[in-house]
Amino acid sequence: EAGVTQFPSHSVIEKGQTVTLRCDPISGHDNLYWYRRVMGKEIKFLLHFVKESKQDESGMPNNRFLAERTGGTYSTLKVQPAELEDSGVYFCASSLLGLGADEQFFGPGTRLTVL
Amino acid sequence: DAKTTQPPSMDCAEGRAANLPCNHSTISGNEYVYWYRQIHSQGPQYIIHGLKNNETNEMASLIITEDRKSSTLILPHATLRDTAVYYCIEGSGTYKYIFGTGTRLKVLA
Repeated sequence: EAGVTQFPSHSVIEKGQTVTLRCDPISGHDNLYWYRRVMGKEIKFLLHFVKESKQDESGMPNNRFLAERTGGTYSTLKVQPAELEDSGVYFCASSLLGLGADEQFFGPGTRLTVL
Repeated sequence: DAKTTQPPSMDCAEGRAANLPCNHSTISGNEYVYWYRQIHSQGPQYIIHGLKNNETNEMASLIITEDRKSSTLILPHATLRDTAVYYCIEGSGTYKYIFGTGTRLKVLA
C-alpha cells in the first residue's frame, strides 16, 4: 500500500513568488492534515481536512497560505506571495477515521527555501 | 505549547533496551498517548499509541502509568537505525497533534 506522498521534495523560490505544494494521502483516508517545521522550531499544525471540507485551520499563519482539497482526494497548499519566514519543511499526514484513537501517517515532507 | 515533557536527549548502547519517558500530566480521560519518531529530516514515523493499557507491537512497547500522567516507550533491542528524535504526543479532541521538542536518542555502537 502506498504511503502519503508529497511533491515536490524540495523547492527553492525567491521572495514574492508563488509556490504550490501537493499532498496525496493514503487511498481511502478522508482526513488530511498539513504541518510545518520552520527553522529551529517544533513541528506545528496548520490545518485539517475531512474530505474536501476544512475542519480546523487554526494553525494557518496568515492569508498568504491557501489550502485546498478538490474532490476530497489530493490537497494543495499554496503560498502567495512567499516570504523569507515561510522557509521550512511542510509535512502532510492522513488518517482513516480522524478520531482520537486513529494514528496519522506522515509523508516525507517538502523542503521550501525562500531566498 | 506542547502538553507533554520529555528529556532532551538520551544515549543507549546498541542491543540494549532504550526506555524513553514522557510526562503528560494534563491528559484527559479519553485522550490517547502517541509516540512518533523522526529520523533525520524524514516525516514523523508512527510507532505506537495507547489509552490506559500497556501496548506492544513489532516496533516497541508502551507502558502507561495507572494515573495516566506518564508513559515510557521501550525499544527492546536498540539498533543504530533507531537513532532519531522521539516524540510523545497527546491525541487531542480536535485531532491535531501538538509536537514538543522530543527526545533525541543516540544509539551507540
